[in-house]
Amino acid sequence: GENVEQHPSTLSVQEGDSAVIKCTYSDSASNYFPWYKQELGKRPQLIIDIRSNVGEKKDQRIAVTLNKTAKHFSLHITETQPEDSAVYFCAARFTTSGTYKYIFGTGTRLKVLA
Amino acid sequence: SAVISQKPSRDICQRGTSLTIQCQVDSQVTMMFWYRQQPGQSLTLIATANQGSEATYESGFVIDKFPISRPNLTFSTLTVSNMSPEDSSIYLCSVRGGDGTFSYEQYFGPGTRLTVT
Repeated sequence: GENVEQHPSTLSVQEGDSAVIKCTYSDSASNYFPWYKQELGKRPQLIIDIRSNVGEKKDQRIAVTLNKTAKHFSLHITETQPEDSAVYFCAARFTTSGTYKYIFGTGTRLKVLA
Repeated sequence: SAVISQKPSRDICQRGTSLTIQCQVDSQVTMMFWYRQQPGQSLTLIATANQGSEATYESGFVIDKFPISRPNLTFSTLTVSNMSPEDSSIYLCSVRGGDGTFSYEQYFGPGTRLTVT
């Protein structure tokens, strides 16, 4: 079935350190993998995404890597700052019956300690 | 990205009643999605709302409980019917940005925080 697993569920890092969140997906046909950041009381915000035709994408301090063979992708945040503290969700695009949908991972609560 | 608004932003309702949530987008989009986010949990897809056809519901969600309307390409409603405290949640609508172009990005409305007493 359609499934996205995400680890860890919580992650605490010291300010300035790196954080890595990992996700695996079930359908090898999935071709798009976004990451969302959700601050308390706010809507999820798209922060970076990657398509299946590339292995890595970077945007300033954040990067996403994709391993299609293993069906997993990861979010990397470098030089973490207190404002990076939030819940992060990965997602995968699943195509079904001629249409598509996005299934989300269970989320990672990131705490950046000052 | 599309600008998405939802009404109401929050509501407190009594069990057994129904609430209709509205989602308005500032541009025409083919597909709109409704999600539920229970406290401290992830985003669970309720249904996909296509204009001109019935909504497609995910496993565990049924039309009698969550009827959806999609009268045009910029608007949708989700009704939470015969509510119980277990329906207390945040309900979010979502659209794909740049409809008609080769764009996969999906954006969320601000959400409706529902509390059922």
